Amino acid sequence: EAGVAQSPRYKIIEKRQSVAFWCNPISGHATLYWYQQILGQGPKLLIQFQNNGVVDDSQLPKDRFSAERLKGVDSTLKIQPAKLEDSAVYLCASSWTRGPRAGKLFFGSGTQLSVL
Amino acid sequence: RKEVEQDPGPFNVPEGATVAFNCTYSNSASQSFFWYRQDCRKEPKLLMSVYSSGNEDGRFTAQLNRASQYISLLIRDSKLSDSATYLCVERGNYGQNFVFGPGTRLSVLP
Repeated sequence: EAGVAQSPRYKIIEKRQSVAFWCNPISGHATLYWYQQILGQGPKLLIQFQNNGVVDDSQLPKDRFSAERLKGVDSTLKIQPAKLEDSAVYLCASSWTRGPRAGKLFFGSGTQLSVL
Repeated sequence: RKEVEQDPGPFNVPEGATVAFNCTYSNSASQSFFWYRQDCRKEPKLLMSVYSSGNEDGRFTAQLNRASQYISLLIRDSKLSDSATYLCVERGNYGQNFVFGPGTRLSVLP
């Protein structure tokens, strides 16, 4: 099966600029996640969608981060304005919602963001 | 308080050695547990799920101790290709998100 697609692969911006990341999950995966992974740390959930509804966005810094999944398929994550501490890899993942395969996360290659 | 804790390492071991990682979790309601592997500059990939009865996949053995709230991963006969970061993951109730530990870095030396 085709994997999770993410773009861009790398992005370099200056602080206070805005940036957007795009993710296309594996076909049929109703659940989509955005994770932030700072160097040397494990991935931290930013937001979880099921279809086009938000399941968990408790750790999303809503004053500057936003995400949407309007048609329940692909998703965009935006940062506006960016801060230096936003430098990280942004990972999109998807999974089946039910059944024996629901426990497996499939990750995209990630977007490495550098904020200067 | 961190929800999932791991010894960050690095663990430097010679080829052929046996190495064990432990992980503790704070959410007593956690239902599912996993080990993911992450190579340098790559995305995490599922290594194995962890079942209450313990499970084995080739050289890898995972165990869960619910009473003490810890998970372990044992790697026997280490290979150079096992060098990676191993992430401990727990999931609460059905449909909740996956919570990752900080990872333990393993370097297998020739």
